[in-house]
Amino acid sequence: GAGVSQSPSNKVTEKGKDVELRCDPISGHTALYWYRQRLGQGLEFLIYFQGNSAPDKSGLPSDRFSAERTGESVSTLTIQRTQQEDSAVYLCASSLALGGPRGYEQYFGPGTRLTVT
Amino acid sequence: KNEVEQSPQNLTAQEGEFITINCSYSVGISALHWLQQHPGGGIVSLFMLSSGKKKHGRLIATINIQEKHSSLHITASHPRDSAVYICAVPYSGGGADGLTFGKGTHLIIQP
Repeated sequence: GAGVSQSPSNKVTEKGKDVELRCDPISGHTALYWYRQRLGQGLEFLIYFQGNSAPDKSGLPSDRFSAERTGESVSTLTIQRTQQEDSAVYLCASSLALGGPRGYEQYFGPGTRLTVT
Repeated sequence: KNEVEQSPQNLTAQEGEFITINCSYSVGISALHWLQQHPGGGIVSLFMLSSGKKKHGRLIATINIQEKHSSLHITASHPRDSAVYICAVPYSGGGADGLTFGKGTHLIIQP
């Protein structure tokens, strides 16, 4: 595909249920990022995968949040026992990060809008 | 962890005006990102820069690494430039770190 894709585009769930959000990065991009944007607020970093290294989970807000990535492809973000404050747009981005200090452009997916009722 | 401050938070201008959005950050970085978020929510990367100045069409981004400051300029602004403009830096300054974001500048260009 040409860009980062995410599914579903919208998800409505009841409080207490688990949800899984999926991200397909651009082929060949070794780095994958998850971000969150709550209504009326700025973007927040959640987690970062780089190749086969251990993921940087420093942005995850609680242990109800987890994410996995299979090799350098698909990633899933799982939220267990959802709460109303989890309602947000969850954005995935990928970049061609080859290591070292230089920066790399991140390409964003369209996001998944999660509503917890 | 890097802290990012953007100004102004809101900006309304008339078509044709020259626009400047400012960004400052607290920790030395490898590169700074300027992003555009459309009213529908999609995010597009406008610039990534680590020194000097970059130009794409009517958009110009500058960065002063010593002062930890960047500006985004729009020349001959147009209503289609109306969007949220977001400055972002690696949260600990490193190359491929996750980003920490400014709160964004809501820009409205009136015809």
